[in-house]
Amino acid sequence: QKEVEQNSGPLSVPEGAIASLNCTYSDRVSQSFFWYRQYSGKSPELIMSIYSNGDKEDGRFTAQLNKASQYVSLLIRDSQPSDSATYLCAVSYNFNKFYFGSGTKLNVKP
Amino acid sequence: DTGVSQDPRHKITKRGQNVTFRCDPISEHNRLYWYRQTLGQGPEFLTYFQNEAQLEKSRLLSDRFSAERPKGSFSTLEIQRTEQGDSAMYLCASSLNAGGGPSIDTQYFGPGTRLTVL
Repeated sequence: QKEVEQNSGPLSVPEGAIASLNCTYSDRVSQSFFWYRQYSGKSPELIMSIYSNGDKEDGRFTAQLNKASQYVSLLIRDSQPSDSATYLCAVSYNFNKFYFGSGTKLNVKP
Repeated sequence: DTGVSQDPRHKITKRGQNVTFRCDPISEHNRLYWYRQTLGQGPEFLTYFQNEAQLEKSRLLSDRFSAERPKGSFSTLEIQRTEQGDSAMYLCASSLNAGGGPSIDTQYFGPGTRLTVL
């Protein structure tokens, strides 16, 4: 079993819609959770980090964490074609080692 | 540009040759990570340093791989006797671990070195 599981997609949404990306993790002691965006041929860039149960909002992005269910999600409101990329979920314990999922490819159609 | 640089950006080598990659982190960052990423997969953790100390190394990392960070600044990753399965993007990331809480320890990735083993 992989440490971090993501649906590979592609997830297709129309421009202006809400995109919902999901991630589950296996290590119950994981403490820190991250969402990265990766454009084709580029390196990952951090979008959001979340450490406590609940929601965290940053602009059009909302990260949701449920430690009891070992579940992390990312909502992108008002999706734009420029949001089309692969979204990577990462978890870590004590920032010593980061486990990444395989990523979900998002396509936002104009 | 995150401020993390990697050199070279691309490397083509023949099977059996040794290769070395360099990563220059953001100057004040004390942590440095190496990852490997293949097509369709997320980055796979290889190893990390806090200052010059290598604190953890993936069990998946064979003894052909070695990494150093001699002065706690730049780091090198060497692969000896390369194999075709080593073909991948090698990513470096750095962060500042100031012990002040999780919000400080954000990783910034370099552009990566793409290795092709023929």
